[in-house]
Amino acid sequence: DTGVSQNPRHKITKRGQNVTFRCDPISEHNRLYWYRQTLGQGPEFLTYFQNEAQLEKSRLLSDRFSAERPKGSFSTLEIQRTEQGDSAMYLCASSPTLVSGAQGYNEQFFGPGTRLTVL
Amino acid sequence: AQSVSQHNHHVILSEAASLELGCNYSYGGTVNLFWYVQYPGQHLQLLLKYFSGDPLVKGIKGFEAEFIKSKFSFNLRKPSVQWSDTAEYFCAVIPGGSARQLTFGSGTQLTVLP
Repeated sequence: DTGVSQNPRHKITKRGQNVTFRCDPISEHNRLYWYRQTLGQGPEFLTYFQNEAQLEKSRLLSDRFSAERPKGSFSTLEIQRTEQGDSAMYLCASSPTLVSGAQGYNEQFFGPGTRLTVL
Repeated sequence: AQSVSQHNHHVILSEAASLELGCNYSYGGTVNLFWYVQYPGQHLQLLLKYFSGDPLVKGIKGFEAEFIKSKFSFNLRKPSVQWSDTAEYFCAVIPGGSARQLTFGSGTQLTVLP
């Protein structure tokens, strides 16, 4: 399977604990995105990387959230001191860097997500 | 801030009925427009996309969408739905320029009755 993979698929934790999720993008894609999806809503952007550089962060990404992509390949999203409001599906997507107008430009491929439940 | 509106929260159709799901966006400049689908238990998949050119775009599984710039709309259509089209459908936008993140609508749950 050459798609985007995410681990773990499910995580149950107690409030106040730290959690870390991993995303492995499609191998030739140098852009990587994190989104969060809550029940009944569409995904909301959290942050994105071009190679190892984190280029944009949403206001949704509080100080308790940190994301890394140390070698420009896989990425991790850590949530410190989890709160019940952090319960959501965390989605990762990747895309290639293409020039405007090229086939596939701005097209993002999504992984299966990590479902976080904070008790 | 830009936003995407999907006015139909839940649509229920019988097989062979025609489908139209509404999508409106608020961004005034050049936009890239997408429809994604999420089948039960599966991840988000791209149905179709619009970047430029012909405003009527065709996607997979017989879906199409029409970009109407004057109405800021990108409605999804299918002439005859099947039970297997039961899924959640999301409209999304990336504004032209340097932005890269998708802004999604809240989704429309489509249930097709056999």
